[in-house]
Amino acid sequence: EDQVTQSPEALRLQEGESSSLNCSYTVSGLRGLFWYRQDPGKGPEFLFTLYSAGEEKEKERLKATLTKKESFLHITAPKPEDSATYLCAVQAWGGGSNYKLTFGKGTLLTVNP
Amino acid sequence: GAGVSQSPSNKVTEKGKDVELRCDPISGHTALYWYRQSLGQGLEFLIYFQGNSAPDKSGLPSDRFSAERTGGSVSTLTIQRTQQEDSAVYLCASSLYSGGKNIQYFGAGTRLSVL
Repeated sequence: EDQVTQSPEALRLQEGESSSLNCSYTVSGLRGLFWYRQDPGKGPEFLFTLYSAGEEKEKERLKATLTKKESFLHITAPKPEDSATYLCAVQAWGGGSNYKLTFGKGTLLTVNP
Repeated sequence: GAGVSQSPSNKVTEKGKDVELRCDPISGHTALYWYRQSLGQGLEFLIYFQGNSAPDKSGLPSDRFSAERTGGSVSTLTIQRTQQEDSAVYLCASSLYSGGKNIQYFGAGTRLSVL
């Protein structure tokens, strides 16, 4: 069974204080690893997808990296508007459900001004 | 250019009543998914449609839950005889498989409260 564990559950940063969020995964064969951002009362917003170990993607203050067992979302010099819940999900090869996403429980990030 | 649209945004119902939740995917997206997000839990997969057929219903929690999709577009998730444990946010996503990639885009969800 595919599993995704995110840590920490919650993270509080000061504006400008860089940090990283972790996503550990167990999957039979990784088709893709996805990062989403979710604001209160809204649906998840797609950020990145990574397909193979060593791959990196960047968008503004965010950078996602991938190894064979985990992914990191690095946040550089965060701003209050980066406050949100960040969700990690995996998509696996094989079987009849190789399109569904298996999500972690998320990391609630709060950036104080 | 509209995103995934879900209605209603909020639904309050009494235990034992039936409810219907609607999802209007991004135009041209052939795949559609339903997920459930309960308090303190991650998003939980319910069902996947490719066109009008549902090759994967593995996540539906009981036979009180059903879903259909018509015209390769709009989908309806129906919950019969609702129970308090059905209270959650129901999220719909759609995607278009292209170039080996399959990115799911989500709607804002329907928040279901069963009293």
